[in-house]
Amino acid sequence: GAGVSQSPSNKVTEKGKDVELRCDPISGHTALYWYRQRLGQGLEFLIYFQGNSAPDKSGLPSDRFSAERTGESVSTLTIQRTQQEDSAVYLCASSGSVTETQYFGPGTRLLVL
Amino acid sequence: GQQLNQSPQSMFIQEGEDVSMNCTSSSIFNTWLWYKQDPGEGPVLLIALYKAGELTSNGRLTAQFGITRKDSFLNISASIPSDVGIYFCAGRFGGADGLTFGKGTHLIIQP
Repeated sequence: GAGVSQSPSNKVTEKGKDVELRCDPISGHTALYWYRQRLGQGLEFLIYFQGNSAPDKSGLPSDRFSAERTGESVSTLTIQRTQQEDSAVYLCASSGSVTETQYFGPGTRLLVL
Repeated sequence: GQQLNQSPQSMFIQEGEDVSMNCTSSSIFNTWLWYKQDPGEGPVLLIALYKAGELTSNGRLTAQFGITRKDSFLNISASIPSDVGIYFCAGRFGGADGLTFGKGTHLIIQP
């Protein structure tokens, strides 16, 4: 595809349930980032993958958050036992290398009731 | 952690006016980026700055990387309706770091 795609576009879940968000980066991009954007706020860095290196998890807010990436392709962000405070837009970005421009997907809007 | 202070929070201007917004940081960044986000979309990169003092233009947009590496500004000349949106500054210290974002400047253009 031409750009970064994310699914689902919107997700409504009940407090306590687990959710899985998916990101398809631009083909050939080795770096992949997850960010969270709360309503009316800027983006918060969550986690970063570069090739087969160990991911930089320094931005993950709690141990309920985890992410995986298979090689240089799809990534999934999992939030376990969701809380209302997890409601936000979750954005994925990819770049050709760590120093190149990050291209963002449209995001997944998560609402925890 | 690192924080970016972006101002103003919102701007109400007339079409055709020039716009100026800025970002300051308590920490040094090696890269400054300016993004625009439209409703329901992800941010789109407008300008990237890599050297202290660098001044870069992209059409009606001009951005500068401060000499101290702790600030940047974005100017938009002769604003048009499609400039409406939220503008974010973002900084990165190291090549492998995630970006640190400001809280955004919401630009509203009155006809």
